[in-house]
Amino acid sequence: NAGVMQNPRHLVRRRGQEARLRCSPMKGHSHVYWYRQLPEEGLKFMVYLQKENIIDESGMPKERFSAEFPKEGPSILRIQQVVRGDSAAYFCASTPESNQPQHFGDGTRLSIL
Amino acid sequence: RKEVEQDPGPFNVPEGATVAFNCTYSNSASQSFFWYRQDCRKEPKLLMSVYSSGNEDGRFTAQLNRASQYISLLIRDSKLSDSATYLCVVNKNTPLVFGKGTRLSVIA
Repeated sequence: NAGVMQNPRHLVRRRGQEARLRCSPMKGHSHVYWYRQLPEEGLKFMVYLQKENIIDESGMPKERFSAEFPKEGPSILRIQQVVRGDSAAYFCASTPESNQPQHFGDGTRLSIL
Repeated sequence: RKEVEQDPGPFNVPEGATVAFNCTYSNSASQSFFWYRQDCRKEPKLLMSVYSSGNEDGRFTAQLNRASQYISLLIRDSKLSDSATYLCVVNKNTPLVFGKGTRLSVIA
């Protein structure tokens, strides 16, 4: 029973490029959460999705960031026109229902040159 | 005031020691409470949920005081493998709110 799968593990982009981060939740889980962790900081909530719907995006910057969780396929966190400050570890978590303990993927470490 | 506050440490303790971490949270409407463990450059892993009555899992004991908005984690008989950052996490509705973590180093 595979856990939460994130890819890529590491992603390097130049300023101005686009970054796409993927997350496949655990089998049977339809709730997906994205968090960002800056160096030496705690995890910060970005967005919560449930199949095809964004439930809460209060933690996501209004510009350049978007997220989706299509009916088929993984959840995607998309960052357009990346800047140096986007360099961070991005973690995805999933649950079968809301308010359950969240299980995290290995994360994607994004580096912006 | 930060939503979840923890002493960042580091706590440097010898093997076999007992160590306690504390955490306070600001939102009295918080509903669920957890301790997660995060190793360097790894994902957070759920250590245990925290219940009002207090709960124990092997060498780990968690306590919650809703009146004081205070959560604790006690680790007995520390092992080298306990070295990690311990994250206090609270939940109201759905997004988790993480503390910055308390770093523990267990020394041989």
